[in-house]
Amino acid sequence: GAVVSQHPSRVICKSGTSVKIECRSLDFQATTMFWYRQFPKQSLMLMATSNEGSKATYEQGVEKDKFLINHASLTLSTLTVTSAHPEDSSFYICSAGQASSSSYEQYFGPGTRLTVT
Amino acid sequence: AQSVTQLDSQVPVFEEAPVELRCNYSSSVSVYLFWYVQYPNQGLQLLLKYLSGSTLVKGINGFEAEFNKSQTSFHLRKPSVHISDTAEYFCAVTGYSSASKIIFGSGTRLSIRP
Repeated sequence: GAVVSQHPSRVICKSGTSVKIECRSLDFQATTMFWYRQFPKQSLMLMATSNEGSKATYEQGVEKDKFLINHASLTLSTLTVTSAHPEDSSFYICSAGQASSSSYEQYFGPGTRLTVT
Repeated sequence: AQSVTQLDSQVPVFEEAPVELRCNYSSSVSVYLFWYVQYPNQGLQLLLKYLSGSTLVKGINGFEAEFNKSQTSFHLRKPSVHISDTAEYFCAVTGYSSASKIIFGSGTRLSIRP
């Protein structure tokens, strides 16, 4: 089946620095990708919808200037956490969907664990 | 807009006992429904999904779920659980296109006692 990869799987950075997380659809094209964050023992919270060739759509309460999303190609979306702080430490997961008239699949990346010290 | 409610945050059961994890959804349009499992420090794994057709859906690891439109429910069941089923389970809903957001429930932690 289709695969979505994320890189890096883990990253530790210092407070005030920026971190970029990549999400790739390996064998299909994704015009839309989604970014989620998950705090320990909590559910996935949708942060934004990444649209190829246009601006991302952010969910209410998500700072677009802090979480920069770029979807430059049909197989790559990036999330950049700018000026990271310890409260940004979390598990970030991306996903991409494939839909047709008779089927639907949503593929999730393995996640990136960000720790800000 | 869609929403998902998982009524039980934790469900403890004994090994080999049956289990049901409850999920209710709300939507003004037709939706697809999913159950995902997440083991500690891992990503999501799809257990099963309902797109259309038979309301009883069978998934991996012996799980099944039944879509009930009148009750807007999609409860997950397994007749006999194993220690290895200990994990977090998420119910999710989405619209029909690949641009539709997947909305997750708050999750149910299933803990299996020997």
